[in-house]
Amino acid sequence: TQTVSQSDAHVTVFEGDSVELRCNYSYGGSIYLSWYIQHHGHGLQFLLKYYSGNPVVQGVNGFEAEFSKSDSSFHLRKASVHWSDSAVYFCAVSASTGNYKYVFGAGTRLKVIA
Amino acid sequence: GPKVLQIPSHQIIDMGQMVTLNCDPVSNHLYFYWYKQILGQQMEFLVNFYNGKVMEKSKLFKDQFSVERPDGSYFTLKIQPTALEDSAVYFCASSPDRGFEQYFGPGTRLTVL
Repeated sequence: TQTVSQSDAHVTVFEGDSVELRCNYSYGGSIYLSWYIQHHGHGLQFLLKYYSGNPVVQGVNGFEAEFSKSDSSFHLRKASVHWSDSAVYFCAVSASTGNYKYVFGAGTRLKVIA
Repeated sequence: GPKVLQIPSHQIIDMGQMVTLNCDPVSNHLYFYWYKQILGQQMEFLVNFYNGKVMEKSKLFKDQFSVERPDGSYFTLKIQPTALEDSAVYFCASSPDRGFEQYFGPGTRLTVL
C-alpha cells in the first residue's frame, strides 16, 4: 500500500523568501513521484516528476524537488517565492507498474505575503 | 498547455436522483481517471479507464457508479442513485499513456441534498 504524507498543512512565507514543502512516502516498489499545484477554483497543474536519474528535478516556475531514497522523501523547493505561488500543493505517488493511479498527500496550503 | 474540461462546474441534486458528470479529456490521450475530493480531505482515486474498459477501481467506486466514453466523446461518471456521501468535488484526468503525467480538469462540485 502506498501512502503519502505532507506534514505541513499550512505554510506562510513572505514574498522573496525561499520555501520547502515536505513530502514523505512509503512504498516498496518502483514509483513515480510528482508535485501538483492547485489554485483556488482550478484543477491540478503539473509541476514536476521524478522517476530515476538525477535526484534533483527541475519544474515549472522555478520549482525543484529532490528525491531521497534513504529518507523516503520528495521535498519541493523554491528559492524565491512570488505572491502568485499562493496555492495548495499536492505530492503524489504512482507505482511504475499497473495502472499508474495517483495516491495523493493531503496537500500543503502555501500563503505568500506580498 | 493541454486542457481537460469538465461540465458542469456545479451540480445540486436531491438524494436518489441520477447524475452524470462529463469530462472532455485532452485529445489523443488514452488513459482517463476520476478522483473524488471531499471538502477538507485529500483527493482519492476512484477509477481509471482505457480502451473502453475499467482498468482499476477503488473501494470508493460503489456499485452505483459507472463510467463510459461512447465513441470518443465525453468521458462520463454516472451515479445512480446518488447518496448524501457522494457530495464532493470530482476531478477528471487524462494522460497520453501510462507513466505520463495526468492532466486534470477544474472539477465538478456535486452537492446531494
